Amino acid sequence: ELKVEQNPLFLSMQEGKNYTIYCNYSTTSDRLYWYRQDPGKSLESLFVLLSNGAVKQEGRLMASLDTKARLSTLHITAAVHDLSATYFCAVDRISGGGADGLTFGKGTHLIIQP
Amino acid sequence: GAVVSQHPSRVICKSGTSVKIECRSLDFQATTMFWYRQFPKQSLMLMATSNEGSKATYEQGVEKDKFLINHASLTLSTLTVTSAHPEDSSFYICSARDPGTGTYNEQFFGPGTRLTVL
Repeated sequence: ELKVEQNPLFLSMQEGKNYTIYCNYSTTSDRLYWYRQDPGKSLESLFVLLSNGAVKQEGRLMASLDTKARLSTLHITAAVHDLSATYFCAVDRISGGGADGLTFGKGTHLIIQP
Repeated sequence: GAVVSQHPSRVICKSGTSVKIECRSLDFQATTMFWYRQFPKQSLMLMATSNEGSKATYEQGVEKDKFLINHASLTLSTLTVTSAHPEDSSFYICSARDPGTGTYNEQFFGPGTRLTVL
């Protein structure tokens, strides 16, 4: 059974600090997705990581993928309150492509306090 | 990116009634759409894969007779919750893959439908 584990599940941090969210998965997939969800809303796509060693950055967020370790990280730099949300990582259920659903981690509920 | 819409955004119904939720891809054709369910403070769980012109594929534990899926066109999939009960109350989110984005299976999510069964 495919497993996707995120940690921490809950994170409270102060503005201006840095932190990293970790996502471990059990499949051999070389693709991983990060999403943001605000309360009562659907998912917003943040990053699509397509290969080993992929690194993508958008503003204060940076995501990386290590397929050999089956690990992805989402790093937050100099956090600001607007980044408060729940962050999910997800992987394809089937490695190698094709149209299939995603398996999600449990999500990291991030609160950034002034 | 590609746009996926859902209707309605929110529905409240009485126990025993049926509710239909629509998922549309607005600017692309989607041969495959996906339905997810999210309970409060939990993650998304894939319920079923909706295939245009053929039967849906349901995940283990999802009752196909209760959650009817129809994908009659390349831009529309519907999920009907039949004989809804309070335990069916949840946030239902659909997604679609835009074939034009290549093979990496990026899925675009609809805004979700919040179902409350009284």
